[in-house]
Amino acid sequence: DTGVSQNPRHKITKRGQNVTFRCDPISEHNRLYWYRQTLGQGPEFLTYFQNEAQLEKSRLLSDRFSAERPKGSFSTLEIQRTEQGDSAMYLCASSFRERAGELFFGEGSRLTVL
Amino acid sequence: AQRVTQPEKLLSVFKGAPVELKCNYSYSGSPELFWYVQYSRQRLQLLLRHISRESIKGFTADLNKGETSFHLKKPFAQEEDSAMYYCALSLVAGGTSYGKLTFGQGTILTVHP
Repeated sequence: DTGVSQNPRHKITKRGQNVTFRCDPISEHNRLYWYRQTLGQGPEFLTYFQNEAQLEKSRLLSDRFSAERPKGSFSTLEIQRTEQGDSAMYLCASSFRERAGELFFGEGSRLTVL
Repeated sequence: AQRVTQPEKLLSVFKGAPVELKCNYSYSGSPELFWYVQYSRQRLQLLLRHISRESIKGFTADLNKGETSFHLKKPFAQEEDSAMYYCALSLVAGGTSYGKLTFGQGTILTVHP
């Protein structure tokens, strides 16, 4: 197991297009998190799953964002009708429920919306 | 709502000097506090958590509930400590960390030779 992996690592898209990011967590971990990070800021929580159940979504997450973790393994984060303000690094992390807070992060997927 | 503040965006010290990265938080309950670190070209990783009371890579952090602070300290900085450091807070429910982290804005530490 090489840790949390995310792809694509970079995505450049035009405003209005849809994009999807994939995250493969550490296989033993039952929790999976999505964060967003913009320049000069710390990671900002978006949503998290315990197994396949989405337990919380940030109020900051617009309806254009949707995340799934269909079989409790990998997860996808889709952004519909992208806007320039969506440009950011999207980070995925995973953890054991019993050691929540000890997150193992992926390298991130950088989105640029033109 | 909980909030984490790291007042210094940049901190520079010389090798061998003591270093302290400041972190203050606001939350009415009993949170759990963490320090995460990101070295150049590496992913964000956990450095230490307050309940462990461990020293990792020579770093320690003490939770001061009276001052709502969780400052990170090292008595003798090394060049390899140069990195971005994030303080983070997790809510606690039933004695277990909630897991969802609120991060500060981060402090870039540069240790000069």
